[in-house]
Amino acid sequence: DAKTTQPTSMDCAEGRAANLPCNHSTISGNEYVYWYRQIHSQGPQYIIHGLKNNETNEMASLIITEDRKSSTLILPHATLRDTAVYYCIVLSSGGSNYKLTFGKGTLLTVNP
Amino acid sequence: NAGVTQTPKFQVLKTGQSMTLQCAQDMNHNSMYWYRQDPGMGLRLIYYSASEGTTDKGEVPNGYNVSRLNKREFSLRLESAAPSQTSVYFCASRDRGMFTYNEQFFGPGTRLTVL
Repeated sequence: DAKTTQPTSMDCAEGRAANLPCNHSTISGNEYVYWYRQIHSQGPQYIIHGLKNNETNEMASLIITEDRKSSTLILPHATLRDTAVYYCIVLSSGGSNYKLTFGKGTLLTVNP
Repeated sequence: NAGVTQTPKFQVLKTGQSMTLQCAQDMNHNSMYWYRQDPGMGLRLIYYSASEGTTDKGEVPNGYNVSRLNKREFSLRLESAAPSQTSVYFCASRDRGMFTYNEQFFGPGTRLTVL
């Protein structure tokens, strides 16, 4: 599975959009980009995933560049409860038994 | 639905003691996973069970054993605890339907300290 690079930390004002970047320059054609987050002391929570196209759900939007070497997770209106560590994970669609490999992620702090 | 439950929530052991961490899920998921998380680090996979009756090693299996007791339950055993096993342990489960994606559902964690 391809390796990902994320900033260590980011800040965002409450009510503003939070844009979290992720680089995955070695991603291959059958690998998806997944985002999870972990609120302090809790288990990780799935947010969104995508392959090529941009995706949106009730939690967030995922923008993947055309060359698929990077992506951005967007929380459109960040709240204090969105303060968490956000993990970008690249995973192939099969043959790996869907074993997630977590890096250190990005600590997003939403400020009042 | 309770989702993924783990017991105990907290545990303190002395070096050399043994214990079993319990995990159960009520979502009828096929796959289950055990991770550990050390301070300031991401989660690392210890063992996983792709389906009932099968188990496989993950990234850091040494010092642990697992049992997939039935479809619902997946336990993690420390036979002789060491201070290096002080960590937070998370269990997760995942459906393996043909068109499902990799959403893993995580339990609340067990905080283990080995003195």
